[in-house]
Amino acid sequence: GQNIDQPTEMTATEGAIVQINCTYQTSGFNGLFWYQQHAGEAPTFLSYNVLDGLEEKGRFSSFLSRSKGYSYLLLKELQMKDSASYLCAVWAGTASKLTFGTGTRLQVTL
Amino acid sequence: DAGVTQSPTHLIKTRGQQVTLRCSPKSGHDTVSWYQQALGQGPQFIFQYYEEEERQRGNFPDRFSGHQFPNYSSELNVNALLLGDSALYLCASSPPTDRSYNEQFFGPGTRLTVL
Repeated sequence: GQNIDQPTEMTATEGAIVQINCTYQTSGFNGLFWYQQHAGEAPTFLSYNVLDGLEEKGRFSSFLSRSKGYSYLLLKELQMKDSASYLCAVWAGTASKLTFGTGTRLQVTL
Repeated sequence: DAGVTQSPTHLIKTRGQQVTLRCSPKSGHDTVSWYQQALGQGPQFIFQYYEEEERQRGNFPDRFSGHQFPNYSSELNVNALLLGDSALYLCASSPPTDRSYNEQFFGPGTRLTVL
């Protein structure tokens, strides 16, 4: 089966840096996605990691260690609009379904 | 280029009723997946349609069924609604199979409330 763990909630200050961790145990591994979801809205794509290492995209970076079953999403220069849920999703096996964690709700404060 | 569209936006039903939700995939996409997202939870995979057939199914009862049409649009049907079926139903589309990448594009969702 698949198991994906991430913290339920996090709080950070505007302008700061926050790291959201995700650990996973899956049968097979093809890649890991991070999505952002504002309340009541659809998830939107942030990043994709398939090889070990860091992928940087503007204020957002994502890291993957396949041997440790571990990923993190790093958000820099936090803005109030970054308050949202961040979903870690694993693509595993031969089918194309994604298995999501429960999401981490990030609250950015002044 | 329109993204993934879903209808209706919101829906209120009573227990025991049946509901049909609709999804049009992003242009150029041929695969449609349906997810259920309960409040405060991550999306849970219901099933996926490709070439008008159910290709994979998650842990959902037979009350949940679907269909894909020749134009790749899709419907999700839920029979004998339960209170626990109240959730945001998300449709996601993806392009023709690429074994190196699998980004799924999500629609805005249908908020289903069962009373």
